[in-house]
Order: sequence, then structure tokens, then C-alpha cells
Amino acid sequence: SQQGEEDPQALSIQEGENATMNCSYKTSINNLQWYRQNSGRGLVHLILIRSNEREKHSGRLRVTLDTSKKSSSLLITASRAADTASYFCATDDGAGTYKYIFGTGTRLKVLA
Amino acid sequence: NAGVTQTPKFRVLKTGQSMTLLCAQDMNHEYMYWYRQDPGMGLRLIHYSVGEGTTAKGEVPDGYNVSRLKKQNFLLGLESAAPSQTSVYFCASSYGGGKYFGPGTRLTVL
Repeated sequence: SQQGEEDPQALSIQEGENATMNCSYKTSINNLQWYRQNSGRGLVHLILIRSNEREKHSGRLRVTLDTSKKSSSLLITASRAADTASYFCATDDGAGTYKYIFGTGTRLKVLA
Repeated sequence: NAGVTQTPKFRVLKTGQSMTLLCAQDMNHEYMYWYRQDPGMGLRLIHYSVGEGTTAKGEVPDGYNVSRLKKQNFLLGLESAAPSQTSVYFCASSYGGGKYFGPGTRLTVL
């Protein structure tokens, strides 16, 4: 079964708007990672947030982590057409095995 | 640096045939992974390795074998391909943090 589940499954917004996607997971973790996948390509690592962190920023990306709710959110501000992609969260199993499990992803479409 | 490379990029097999997918990384990463990606299923971990000479099972290991004889290479083998193994296969490597992914191998089993 999937450790991480993203919500929504698909999101369509206008260029310049903010995009928020969420990830929920089931077991304790050491860290959570977000990835982007452009159509037909491999995944690209965006940001890693550790279990003792609550918020992290990288450029137009803001990631929050709530370990009590076992959830994370990825916010993309001032979206661009180039942000159109699928976004995945990935979590470890909390046991230090480096056995990362991915969610099913959110497909983001940014309309110019 | 080439990063993570995968060969081949595309392959069509008949049921029962065997093949090996090769993943190579030039970043001296200890950890390497094989995932498969199917529509609506996200990425599922097949096998992974935490160092040269070691391998471990992931979520969906059945029908696959792996080997990590050299630190820079991680091989994924299909001994007797089945249509259910039609998928896009991604290799990844990491130092323990974010993963670097290869471009993928699109495999079709007829």
C-alpha cells in the first residue's frame, strides 16, 4: 500500500496563481521529500524536510510538515506555465532503511 | 558528470523472454533504487541497494532480480517477462538525501 497519498489528484490554475498540493502518510518518518516529474521524464528532487522541521523554503516553493497529522503541503507561488508537471511526495519508513515510498502524485496544469 | 544513466531507453519483449536493465551513476552514491511507474499507481519500489554487494526487496520484488557488483552500477533483471511487467522503469541513486533519477526505460511485454 502507498505510504504517501497526494491530494488533489489533478489541479488546473492560471499563470500567476498559487498552487497547493497535499500529502498524507501513514507511519512515522525521518524525512519527507517532494519531487517534480515533467511528462516523459525522470523525477527531479525539489526539497527535503526533516521530521523535526515544520517549514522549509526554496525559491517559489514552500513546504510544511505536520507530523501530528502525518501530512505535508507543497505551495508553489506565482506559478508559471513551466511548472506544469506531476508532483510526488516520498517518505521513508522511519526505520532508517532508505526504503522510500512514493505517493500517486498530483498533476498540475498551469494555463498561460 | 552524466548523473544517472539507464540503458536501454526502450525495449519490446515477448512473454517469457529475459533481459537486463542497466543503471549507472557517477556521483559515488551509496544508495541505488529501482522503481516502476504505472498509470495511476505512482512509483513503486522494486529493489534497492545500500552499498556495493548488497541488495534488498522493495514493495513489488516478485519477478525481478538485481545485482550491485560495482558501486556505480545497479542491474535489474527479468528472467521470464510477463505482460504485467509492461511499465516504465526508473533507476535512482542518493547519498541519503534527495534522489537523482535516470530518464527511464519504457518496457513493453507482448
